[in-house]
Amino acid sequence: KAGVTQTPRYLIKTRGQQVTLSCSPISGHRSVSWYQQTPGQGLQFLFEYFSETQRNKGNFPGRFSGRQFSNSRSEMNVSTLELGDSALYLCASSRDRGRHEQYFGPGTRLTVT
Amino acid sequence: KNQVEQSPQSLIILEGKNCTLQCNYTVSPFSNLRWYKQDTGRGPVSLTIMTFSENTKSNGRYTATLDADTKQSSLHITASQLSDSASYICVVSAQGSGNTGKLIFGQGTTLQVKP
Repeated sequence: KAGVTQTPRYLIKTRGQQVTLSCSPISGHRSVSWYQQTPGQGLQFLFEYFSETQRNKGNFPGRFSGRQFSNSRSEMNVSTLELGDSALYLCASSRDRGRHEQYFGPGTRLTVT
Repeated sequence: KNQVEQSPQSLIILEGKNCTLQCNYTVSPFSNLRWYKQDTGRGPVSLTIMTFSENTKSNGRYTATLDADTKQSSLHITASQLSDSASYICVVSAQGSGNTGKLIFGQGTTLQVKP
């Protein structure tokens, strides 16, 4: 069974640009969550999608957005990039909501210059 | 304020030795507590999930304990191996918030196992 895949794995953008990251969950998983990980802040929850609907959102500005498609694949978008957006962006999928095991992808390393 | 604090921040041990990582939380209402292992450059991998009623849970050489009264958890690693070198993250979920609605992350403990 294939794991969670994220594309691209590495990305370099300049300030002011926008970026779209993609996440394909494990087959059969319907919940997808996104996280930002930085050395200073650690792992921080961005948002959770289930059945194409955003179910929960972390404390991030509106520049961060996402969506989920009918096949459970998800994308997140960051507009007007800032230097502080440089981070590892992780996607995690689980079969359902609730106390289900989460499986993380390898992440996308975004560098903003 | 909901918080998860881990200690120590970093740890170096010799291969074959045991170690214990600590996690204290102030999350309320509590739903579950998870320990993750994250290798450098990779996504976290779940080690254990414990609810309020579970005191101990093992996963191979990893044993997690939970004391819901004192709001403390520990992760004990037995007979450490070089492959245990990683960051260990404690994550607490608040009740009634679905899978991830109120996940509070600790800063992690970086473990280095030396030969």
